[in-house]
Amino acid sequence: SQTIHQWPATLVQPVGSPLSLECTVEGTSNPNLYWYRQAAGRGLQLLFYSVGIGQISSEVPQNLSASRPQDRQFILSSKKLLLSDSGFYLCAWTGNSYEQYFGPGTRLTVT
Amino acid sequence: GENVEQHPSTLSVQEGDSAVIKCTYSDSASNYFPWYKQELGKRPQLIIDIRSNVGEKKDQRIAVTLNKTAKHFSLHITETQPEDSAVYFCAAGYNNAGNMLTFGGGTRLMVKP
Repeated sequence: SQTIHQWPATLVQPVGSPLSLECTVEGTSNPNLYWYRQAAGRGLQLLFYSVGIGQISSEVPQNLSASRPQDRQFILSSKKLLLSDSGFYLCAWTGNSYEQYFGPGTRLTVT
Repeated sequence: GENVEQHPSTLSVQEGDSAVIKCTYSDSASNYFPWYKQELGKRPQLIIDIRSNVGEKKDQRIAVTLNKTAKHFSLHITETQPEDSAVYFCAAGYNNAGNMLTFGGGTRLMVKP
């Protein structure tokens, strides 16, 4: 069966520091991968999606970037964090069907 | 692009009552409509979905209905229990290159014992 991992689970970072969040999927090949952000008490904002290695589409131009160095690995990065980057970051995947499944998330607090 | 509106934003019901959450979508090409439940501090979990070739789908106490003509779909929870308390998100999508979903704003359901 398929499993999706995210780390770290929680992160506290100062403003202006870099960021790297990692997501990996097991048990499937060539998944579609997604990064969402959820501000406290709010909905799901799609940040990036990827349909294959090295293929990244950005939905929201910001100081964030994403990369997919391997088939089942998706990384979210920033060179300099802003206070507004705080939130719950969720990675998700789909296979050949429509169903989209979320990882456990990373709770980021920028201080 | 697709736009999904979800109502109400909060819903409070007594245990044992029914709860209904409604969503409308704008893109007639959308043909997949999932519902997610998110408990506090947890990831959204897919609880039920419906495709455009059916009008209704049931799974125990949960049912979804779809009206393609009117472009709206609803989640029905019967015999609500305190553990149903959570935020529920609807979404709409179609089989495009990324299988992307557009989410509604969420409904906070509170079931009072």
